[in-house]
Amino acid sequence: QSALTQPASVSGSPGQSITISCTGTSSDVGGYNYVSWYQQHPGKAPKVMIFDVSNRPSGVSNRFSGSKSGNTASLTISGLQAEDEADYYCCSYTSTGVRVFGGGTKLTVL
Amino acid sequence: QVQLVQSGAEVKKPGASVKVSCKASGYTFISYGMSWVRQAPGQGLEWMGWISAYNGYTKYAQNFQGRVTLTTDTSTSTAHMELRGLRYDDTAVYFCARDPRLYDILTENRFDPWGQGTLVTVSS
Repeated sequence: QSALTQPASVSGSPGQSITISCTGTSSDVGGYNYVSWYQQHPGKAPKVMIFDVSNRPSGVSNRFSGSKSGNTASLTISGLQAEDEADYYCCSYTSTGVRVFGGGTKLTVL
Repeated sequence: QVQLVQSGAEVKKPGASVKVSCKASGYTFISYGMSWVRQAPGQGLEWMGWISAYNGYTKYAQNFQGRVTLTTDTSTSTAHMELRGLRYDDTAVYFCARDPRLYDILTENRFDPWGQGTLVTVSS
């Protein structure tokens, strides 16, 4: 199972919005509404920000939102803040019953 | 609060085995599964496998099939991950993460929370 494709890096200024894409195939992202997104700060464990494409766990800021179109899922962060600077990973369920992560995207807040 | 506490760092020689534990608290252990994810130094996340704490069903990533075994001990609410035939490129931080999946079908894709991670170093 190949890793999902994410941009290596994205950046934005405080207050702006950014979007991180996660591209797979019809056997994973495109075939199921089971995409989740994780935020990881250096030296820390990942934290779920979005699950099942667009659901936000309690306690996660509503500045984070998720969507999907075809084989590509997206994470949008609006009103960028310095604390959003981190690595972000998408994860999808697949047709073989396993999960697969994206390669990760480093978000820099300028 | 829901918490996963993992065992401490390990140093192993190539060819050896390692067993990492993950003790759960704050929720009904058999109502969830557990996934294991690893992260090599400076690299991304890699899903290794899942086990249902309810019935012991497992699913392994192809990269680890035959080399990894996931188990649970419901009497102590602890999940274990054993990796055999260690290679230098198995050096990584290994995480456990609570997984809502209990059966073969997925109803929700969410790993929450995660353990603090266990560094496994493979060195001669």
